[in-house]
Order: sequence, then C-alpha cells, then structure tokens
Amino acid sequence: DTAVSQTPKYLVTQMGNDKSIKCEQNLGHDTMYWYKQDSKKFLKIMFSYNNKELIINETVPNRFSPKSPDKAHLNLHINSLELGDSAVYFCASSRGLDMQDTQYFGPGTRLTVL
Amino acid sequence: GQSLEQPSEVTAVEGAIVQINCTYQTSGFYGLSWYQQHDGGAPTFLSYNGLDGLEETGRFSSFLSRSDSYGYLLLQELQMKDSASYFCAVRAYNAGNNRKLIWGLGTSLAVNP
Repeated sequence: DTAVSQTPKYLVTQMGNDKSIKCEQNLGHDTMYWYKQDSKKFLKIMFSYNNKELIINETVPNRFSPKSPDKAHLNLHINSLELGDSAVYFCASSRGLDMQDTQYFGPGTRLTVL
Repeated sequence: GQSLEQPSEVTAVEGAIVQINCTYQTSGFYGLSWYQQHDGGAPTFLSYNGLDGLEETGRFSSFLSRSDSYGYLLLQELQMKDSASYFCAVRAYNAGNNRKLIWGLGTSLAVNP
C-alpha cells in the first residue's frame, strides 16, 4: 500500500543513452512533482503537474520530458544523458497546490551516468 | 530573487534541545513547512506554519514570524534517530506567477551520544 512509488530504484547507464523513470501515487492527489537532489543534497524542483497539466517547468533542459497519462502517474523521460544528470530523482504528490498540502515523496531513483 | 537561508550543519548531544533557523526572502508567502530526510531516504513532512506562532507536535515544534520573515524548528529531547537533514520550505510565486514550494538547502543535524 505504498503511497508514492517510483521505478527503478537504481539506474546506471552510459552517457548519451535515453532512460525513463516511472512514478505512481495511490493517494488520489491532483498534483505531482519531480525533484532532482544532487550530491550536496540540494532539492531542486523540476516539474509540477496539476490535474495532468504542466504548471511549473523550472528551467530544466528540454532533454527532460515529463509525461502524465493520468492524475496518478507522472513519468520522466531523459534523452541524451549527461554526466551532470547523475543525482537522486524524487517524485512527490500533494492534494493540491495550497501551502498546507503536504508533499509526499517517493523513495527516489538514484541515477548514475557513466 | 527568492531565497531561504538555514545553517548547513548543526551538532548536538542526545537529550539536548536544538533550534534550526530559517529566514526567507520570497515573492508572496503562503506558509512555511519543515521536512526531515534521513540519509538514503526520502523527505518526509514534519510541520507547517501558516500563521505566526508556535506549532507543537510531540518533541518537535515549529515557529513562524511573518513580520521577521523567519521561522525555526525546535527539536527537544534529541535522540540518535533525529540525525538527519532538515529542510525548510516556503510556498511563494515563481516568475510565471505559479505557486511553488521553494526549498532551503537543508541543515544536517548530527546527534552524538
């Protein structure tokens, strides 16, 4: 009965490859997010979707393309992977966009680009 | 620009009290939240302050002063398991006039025996 799940948990790949990370939430939330956390633990918002619509795209290279097939899923596809893409990627969801709407995070996907 | 400042590291001993401060400079303000993240884990919600004052949840309390653009997280009766990173986050508007959560860089708390 995991609230927010991500697959895979670990991803090791070569530069130049294309990879996808999947996220699903079973909380009935309207809003989903992707975050990137680098080795210095800085949590950077990448995208935010509300009711399947993109509402925030924080100057992320267009090699990163999110897709939300429905409210419960937000996948992240990354083209032409670069060394600097190595990080932990967290998916999160919240009931809505209000401040008091707690964000629930998935377990993270550790991406290593060689 | 929009920014949050919090100390990068704090060290304390078991049983002690520690306060982690967070000052913010944002466009609009809709509340301050605190999240905890253990090494290798995901951030988890701790507390939320929408109005000035103190919110208490067990050993943890959080305070907000909107006039001072300042808040803090107070951890009492520290336990080893409290060793983690603590993030403050503020809801504000971004350049596109969308509400977004702005995150601090996190405070790494080490609790020693």
